[in-house]
Amino acid sequence: AQKITQTQPGMFVQEKEAVTLDCTYDTSDQSYGLFWYKQPSSGEMIFLIYQGSYDEQNATEGRYSLNFQKARKSANLVISASQLGDSAMYFCAMREGYNQGGKLIFGQGTELSVKP
Amino acid sequence: DAGVIQSPRHEVTEMGQEVTLRCKPISGHNSLFWYRQTMMRGLELLIYFNNNVPIDDSGMPEDRFSAKMPNASFSTLKIQPSEPRDSAVYFCASRKILGNEQYFGPGTRLTVT
Repeated sequence: AQKITQTQPGMFVQEKEAVTLDCTYDTSDQSYGLFWYKQPSSGEMIFLIYQGSYDEQNATEGRYSLNFQKARKSANLVISASQLGDSAMYFCAMREGYNQGGKLIFGQGTELSVKP
Repeated sequence: DAGVIQSPRHEVTEMGQEVTLRCKPISGHNSLFWYRQTMMRGLELLIYFNNNVPIDDSGMPEDRFSAKMPNASFSTLKIQPSEPRDSAVYFCASRKILGNEQYFGPGTRLTVT
């Protein structure tokens, strides 16, 4: 069964607008962590944001925020005020267990294109 | 601070040859991960170490793959013999053992002809 599902293979957004990238996950653990990574065309994996399953507040990092809806098992990434440099692949990932192991399970990714 | 360092950045080899990929984690990080990225399978974990000890190698595809971490600042992933289906980008990542974020290296693009 797919543990991390990203249903949007590709997304377009106009520069300066906000965009939401969807991510749903499947786990029976009570403790887990959710991550978003950015992979530009140059290929490196850049950590963006983290949300723990027990965190009551939605995580935010600058223009990135994570819309965490635990009951729906969703962890959508919101990018505000899109910039041309935001064009990249975005991966949602989950770590099952809290600070145990550390193995990340990745979704298939969403390719975001920001239009000028 | 230097990030995760991987070498080589690109490797082209012929089927049957031995390939060794190298990784230096971020200083002070106790966990090290090897991932592989392909178009077909996406990003998948191959193996990870905590304090130089292999914890989970269930993602290692077959006996042709082996990984070592002789000390806290160095790890290798070896493929012997290599096959064309091993062509992929191999990432190394590291993390503080009680931390959350995994920081990735730039990756090694392996092509096996």
